[in-house]
Amino acid sequence: KQEVTQIPAALSVPEGENLVLNCSFTDSAIYNLQWFRQDPGKGLTSLLLIQSSQREQTSGRLNASLDKSSGRSTLYIAASQPGDSATYLCAVRPIAAGNKLTFGGGTRVLVKP
Amino acid sequence: SAVISQKPSRDICQRGTSLTIQCQVDSQVTMMFWYRQQPGQSLTLIATANQGSEATYESGFVIDKFPISRPNLTFSTLTVSNMSPEDSSIYLCSVLPGGELEQFFGPGTRLTVL
Repeated sequence: KQEVTQIPAALSVPEGENLVLNCSFTDSAIYNLQWFRQDPGKGLTSLLLIQSSQREQTSGRLNASLDKSSGRSTLYIAASQPGDSATYLCAVRPIAAGNKLTFGGGTRVLVKP
Repeated sequence: SAVISQKPSRDICQRGTSLTIQCQVDSQVTMMFWYRQQPGQSLTLIATANQGSEATYESGFVIDKFPISRPNLTFSTLTVSNMSPEDSSIYLCSVLPGGELEQFFGPGTRLTVL
C-alpha cells in the first residue's frame, strides 16, 4: 500500500528565505505527483503536476523535482513572502490505485514578515 | 483545468440532522470524487461519484451515511446523514478531467455539528 510522508509537519521562516518542502512515497509505481496549497478552512489549489517521466516542473517562484526511483519529491519556493503562508500537500497517483490520489499529511508553512 | 463551486460554503448543524452539499463543475468530467478532511488531518477519499450509477465507496464509508447523487457530468451532491459531532469536517468535491490526470478541488464545505 502506497504511503506518502511529508517532513517537516510545520516550518517557520523569515520573509525572503527560500522554502524547501519534502515529500517521500513508498511505491515508485506512480502515474504522477501533484503539489497542492491549502489555506486554512479552504479547498486545495493545484500548484504543480509532475508526470512520472519528468524530473521537474517550474511555475514562477515554484520548482518541484521528482526522483521516482528513490521515492522523493521536493518543492522549492524561492524568496518566500508572507502570502506563501499555507499548508502544502503532496499527493501521488499510484498505478495500482487507478485514479485515486494518495495524500501526505502536509507541511504547514509560516512566513514571518 | 476545471472550475468547481460548492454550496454551502459552511454550515452549523444539530446532531441527528442531515445536510446535502452540492458540487457544480464548469465542464463535463467523467471522474468526480468526494473527500473529507477532519480537523488537523489530511484528506480521505469518501467515494467516487459515478454518472448514472451508484457511487463507489471507500472502506469505512457507506451509502446509508453518505448518499451521493450524480445526475449528469457537471453536478453531484453528497449528503451527510444523521450527523454527529464526529462528522465535523471540511467536505471537498474534486474532479479529474481527461488528459494529463491533473486533479482539481472545490473550495470545500466546512461543516460543524453541535
